[in-house]
Amino acid sequence: SQTIHQWPATLVQPVGSPLSLECTVEGTSNPNLYWYRQAAGRGLQLLFYSIGIDQISSEVPQNLSASRPQDRQFILSSKKLLLSDSGFYLCAWSINTGELFFGEGSRLTVL
Amino acid sequence: SQQGEEDPQALSIQEGENATMNCSYKTSINNLQWYRQNSGRGLVHLILIRSNEREKHSGRLRVTLDTSKKSSSLLITASRAADTASYFCATDEVQGAQKLVFGQGTRLTINP
Repeated sequence: SQTIHQWPATLVQPVGSPLSLECTVEGTSNPNLYWYRQAAGRGLQLLFYSIGIDQISSEVPQNLSASRPQDRQFILSSKKLLLSDSGFYLCAWSINTGELFFGEGSRLTVL
Repeated sequence: SQQGEEDPQALSIQEGENATMNCSYKTSINNLQWYRQNSGRGLVHLILIRSNEREKHSGRLRVTLDTSKKSSSLLITASRAADTASYFCATDEVQGAQKLVFGQGTRLTINP
């Protein structure tokens, strides 16, 4: 069966520090991968999506970047965090835009 | 940009009652999906309805889709306290290049 792992679950970082959130999918090949951000009590904002290695699309200009070093690994990064980067980050995968399978999320607080 | 807009933003009902949430969207879609999110957790897929379908059932869930009005509804019958969660619609846009766009969600509270 397929599983998705996302870590760390919680993170408190100072402004200006770097960020790395990791997401790994098991049990499937060549998944579509997604990073979403959710502000408190709000909906999901699509940040990045990838339909294959070296195929990453950015939805909004921002202080973040994404990489896909392996078929089933998706990493969200920042060189210097801003206060506005605080939020709940969700990784997800799908096959051919069927249902999305989400990780448990990473809560980032930037102080 | 956000595609789906859920209505109402919050809904509070008594256990046993039916809960109806609505979603409107703007562009042509391949399918529309509903998800559930418990507080502080990831989202869980509930049901997918394709653009050529008008109604779909899954257990106590009933979803309708009206492509002429660009709207969908999610009905939860015989609600239970465990149904308390946020519910989101998500659309797979025809020109969306394999991505889902989520609405702002409806916060549903079931009172025992």
